[in-house]
Amino acid sequence: GESVGLHLPTLSVQEGDNSIINCAYSNSASDYFIWYKQESGKGPQFIIDIRSNMDKRQGQRVTVLLNKTVKHLSLQIAATQPGDSAVYFCAENKGETSGSRLTFGEGTQLTVNP
Amino acid sequence: KAGVTQTPRYLIKTRGQQVTLSCSPISGHRSVSWYQQTPGQGLQFLFEYFSETQRNKGNFPGRFSGRQFSNSRSEMNVSTLELGDSALYLCASSLGEGLVQPQHFGDGTRLSIL
Repeated sequence: GESVGLHLPTLSVQEGDNSIINCAYSNSASDYFIWYKQESGKGPQFIIDIRSNMDKRQGQRVTVLLNKTVKHLSLQIAATQPGDSAVYFCAENKGETSGSRLTFGEGTQLTVNP
Repeated sequence: KAGVTQTPRYLIKTRGQQVTLSCSPISGHRSVSWYQQTPGQGLQFLFEYFSETQRNKGNFPGRFSGRQFSNSRSEMNVSTLELGDSALYLCASSLGEGLVQPQHFGDGTRLSIL
């Protein structure tokens, strides 16, 4: 079936650098996208979301970009810190008629080197 | 505000047994969704409950069932356990009405089948 995929399973960066985690999706009907961070032994933690009527949204040190033309989603983390080390998942929702049903990508393991 | 609470955190069962997992959503949230997380399949949607009714269902066999109570708390049941049911079971809650809102996850129940 359709799923949200990620380009890279692992990403290693130096502390203080900016990180970019990418995600491709295939369902053009999806209208809501969300990024989660999952640390070992914990559940996914909400980072930021974006609706399909936007192409950019910023939070604290994070920015999500949505390119509907090529069905691409990215998460940018500024000044990456060791505490940012975790697995990052993108997920999509196909609109309110589908209720709360998220389809997750495979995840990217981000490692921040001191 | 307290987050999503799942009990128990760890559970060990044997094949053929059944198990019930519990989830208390964030106060005011009326939608509760369940997901299964395994290394091989990633995060997969099981079902969603809203106002005590199943609103969405994923592609899992009928051995997986759930329910929601009037206080929005939810339980998930798995009958006739199989080795492949070993996984982290995650519960997420959201407001559930209007535009899709972020789902917030608990830390899961780690189920091991011997």
